[in-house]
Amino acid sequence: AQSVTQLDSQVPVFEEAPVELRCNYSSSVSVYLFWYVQYPNQGLQLLLKYLSGSTLVKGINGFEAEFNKSQTSFHLRKPSVHISDTAEYFCAVSPDTGRRALTFGSGTRLQVQP
Amino acid sequence: NAGVTQTPKFQVLKTGQSMTLQCAQDMNHNSMYWYRQDPGMGLRLIYYSASEGTTDKGEVPNGYNVSRLNKREFSLRLESAAPSQTSVYFCASRPAYNEQFFGPGTRLTVL
Repeated sequence: AQSVTQLDSQVPVFEEAPVELRCNYSSSVSVYLFWYVQYPNQGLQLLLKYLSGSTLVKGINGFEAEFNKSQTSFHLRKPSVHISDTAEYFCAVSPDTGRRALTFGSGTRLQVQP
Repeated sequence: NAGVTQTPKFQVLKTGQSMTLQCAQDMNHNSMYWYRQDPGMGLRLIYYSASEGTTDKGEVPNGYNVSRLNKREFSLRLESAAPSQTSVYFCASRPAYNEQFFGPGTRLTVL
């Protein structure tokens, strides 16, 4: 079984400041890692994913994340946020075999202030 | 491509009523999923389907049934709705070696 912990439920930040949203996971098997974003009253959109290869992953909208296997972390970063980045962000993992269902963290609400 | 579509977008039920949430995908994916999203809990898997005619229980299957009659469609049925089933329901599909694609969700309230 897998579990995902998002350490911050809310992260307030000023526009153009850098941000890091933290994610730690546990799993007894190899996993794929994902970050999804959810804007108000909308579905989930994939920001980025780690399947294999380089541990630094670049996604859409200027976001990137680094997979750290020894620390079982997959933190999301952006060097300069915009008001439009205000949303809920979910970290998720899935086993790399079998039905590959996603296990989600509880989410981090990013609030970008002018 | 419409991607993953869900109907209805909103629904209000009374306790004990039944309803079916519809999901369809036009991406020719084999795997499909139903999740529910509750405040502060992220999304949890209700049911999974690897292909037409096959389904498998997820983390929270009690009170739900599913049907995968063809490759495109995966429906979720509530036989006797309860207030604890008030939630936002998301359907997703996945190609062989990639991430899941989500529908826009159905917001269900059970009174």
